[in-house]
Amino acid sequence: GAGVSQSPRYKVAKRGQDVALRCDPISGHVSLFWYQQALGQGPEFLTYFQNEAQLDKSGLPSDRFFAERPEGSVSTLKIQRTQQEDSAVYLCASSATSGRNTGELFFGEGSRLTVL
Amino acid sequence: AQKITQTQPGMFVQEKEAVTLDCTYDTSDPSYGLFWYKQPSSGEMIFLIYQGSYDQQNATEGRYSLNFQKARKSANLVISASQLGDSAMYFCAMRGWYNQGGKLIFGQGTELSVKP
Repeated sequence: GAGVSQSPRYKVAKRGQDVALRCDPISGHVSLFWYQQALGQGPEFLTYFQNEAQLDKSGLPSDRFFAERPEGSVSTLKIQRTQQEDSAVYLCASSATSGRNTGELFFGEGSRLTVL
Repeated sequence: AQKITQTQPGMFVQEKEAVTLDCTYDTSDPSYGLFWYKQPSSGEMIFLIYQGSYDQQNATEGRYSLNFQKARKSANLVISASQLGDSAMYFCAMRGWYNQGGKLIFGQGTELSVKP
């Protein structure tokens, strides 16, 4: 499809396991964002890429969270040694432009992570 | 710091009636944009409407309009002629002039239920 694609849609992990969440943005989109959405809450910013450069990672909650976008297209969010408080929906969004004039963000359907 | 506040956790509206979802914001940025997104149970964030802080007129998009009152720092969403398919979570979001890459800051959301 032409939209933002995320996989897996659902992931159950045991506490302490590592997980990797994938985001395939709209082709040609420069900007890519990751958000974390806890149950009943609004999305919280995690990190931002402009092409392959990670320009803002101020929202990553701990050093267990790591994101990459090596070729400026697909991005992976990795969570090491998962904990129960990591249970959330992880949303990826992309945009055709960057900077202050960034237009609309297009979101994927999210990856729902449950840590047991 | 930027902050978005949505004070209505849940709202009910009768089908075909209009409903207003409240949003107030706080920012010291000289210029900013305000967004409303809809999130149905499928999880995807759907863009509804955008208002720039220097736009002279309130934004409208079909049945959606944004009641922008800059002095009061409010950006309420008005949905006219509600439909059953409007039942969803609604999020107000802001992009400040200094936001790296144009990241959005979201409110806590309002759950709208449309009654037949």
